[in-house]
Amino acid sequence: SAVISQKPSRDICQRGTSLTIQCQVDSQVTMMFWYRQQPGQSLTLIATANQGSEATYESGFVIDKFPISRPNLTFSTLTVSNMSPEDSSIYLCSASGGGIYEQYFGPGTRLTVT
Amino acid sequence: QKEVEQDPGPLSVPEGAIVSLNCTYSNSAFQYFMWYRQYSRKGPELLMYTYSSGNKEDGRFTAQVDKSSKYISLFIRDSQPSDSATYLCAMSGRGNQFYFGTGTSLTVIP
Repeated sequence: SAVISQKPSRDICQRGTSLTIQCQVDSQVTMMFWYRQQPGQSLTLIATANQGSEATYESGFVIDKFPISRPNLTFSTLTVSNMSPEDSSIYLCSASGGGIYEQYFGPGTRLTVT
Repeated sequence: QKEVEQDPGPLSVPEGAIVSLNCTYSNSAFQYFMWYRQYSRKGPELLMYTYSSGNKEDGRFTAQVDKSSKYISLFIRDSQPSDSATYLCAMSGRGNQFYFGTGTSLTVIP
């Protein structure tokens, strides 16, 4: 299994600002993903972070709002841009290096936008 | 219709009870079925996975998949207070995308 860390663990941000969340994996992985988890709702996939190329975004999520970088096989960042209170959520990074069922999650970043 | 349906609970049982957690799904292309456990303020932790139909056992945990009914279950035997968490089912087809249930909150009372 992979061990995944995220920074920051939580933050309170003002409307209109941006926050960059970092995700670090302890080993090289093929796939990295970014999810959003809101209370009472299932995890929603934001995008797949592709190493060396642009991220693949799911319906309803756009690069201008959620720019993603993946400079190597162990690290990725997600930026939440021009934040509004509706962006308040938990943002989770996950990674998969082996079988399709092997998706491991970081501890999450709890974001509150005021 | 949601891809995956899961009763959110909450579910409260006495210590030692057998717990049954369930999900239904609509997409017959799903082949991989996972169960995650998520403690409060932590990320989801992979508990078990099953490929296609059948049962899989790991200690006190048993995962069952019935593809004909599009129904999956997780059984926890001899439940412990440390099992108190939210349990999420997840499914995947040939692609990399996972479809998650909303999670069932479980409390095991000592």
